[in-house]
Amino acid sequence: ILNVEQSPQSLHVQEGDSTNFTCSFPSSNFYALHWYRWETAKSPEALFVMTLNGDEKKKGRISATLNTKEGYSYLYIKGSQPEDSATYLCALKAAGNKLTFGGGTRVLVKP
Amino acid sequence: GAGVSQSPSNKVTEKGKDVELRCDPISGHTALYWYRQSLGQGLEFLIYFQGNSAPDKSGLPSDRFSAERTGGSVSTLTIQRTQQEDSAVYLCASSHRLYEQYFGPGTRLTVT
Repeated sequence: ILNVEQSPQSLHVQEGDSTNFTCSFPSSNFYALHWYRWETAKSPEALFVMTLNGDEKKKGRISATLNTKEGYSYLYIKGSQPEDSATYLCALKAAGNKLTFGGGTRVLVKP
Repeated sequence: GAGVSQSPSNKVTEKGKDVELRCDPISGHTALYWYRQSLGQGLEFLIYFQGNSAPDKSGLPSDRFSAERTGGSVSTLTIQRTQQEDSAVYLCASSHRLYEQYFGPGTRLTVT
C-alpha cells in the first residue's frame, strides 16, 4: 500500500498572500505525480502531471516542484485569490498505473 | 468536446437494494477509473480499466461491488445489497493512457 501524505490538511490564507503546501510519497517505483484542484460541488480538475526530478510547472499563479529522490512535491499559490479556495489533491502513479491520492490540502482564501 | 458524464447524478436507495452507476468516458480514452469519496474522507480508488487488459480490482471494498466496461467505452459500477456505509460520491475518470485524468461530475449515492 502506497502512502501519499499531504500537509497541512487545511490552511487559511489572506487574499493577496502567497502560500505553499506539501505532498510526500515513497520514492521507489515512481512514475508520475499528479496535482488536482477540487472545488466544492465540482469535479476534480487536473493541474499538473510531473514526471522528472527537478520538474517545475506553472499555470497562472499556481506552480509546483518535484523532488523524486526525496519523495516530495510542493504546490505554490502566488497572490491568493478567493477563487483559489479549493481542496488540492496530489496523486502518485507508481508501477501498476492506478493513482494513489493523498488526503488533500483544503485551502480557504479570505477576502 | 464532451467530457466524462455520469448517471444518475443522485441516487437514493433502500438498504439491501442493488444499484447501477453509469460512466461515459471521453471518446478515445483507453483508461477508465472509479473512485469514491465518503463523507469526510479522501478519494478512494475502486477499480481501473485499461484497454483490453484485465481490470485492476484491488480497490473494491467487498464482493458486493463489481464493474464492467463494455466495448472499451461505457462502464457500469454495480453495488449489490447496498449498505449504509456505501453512501458516498462515486466518481468516474478517464484518461488517455498515462496522462492526467478527467473526472465526471459524480453520482451521489445515499443508502437509507
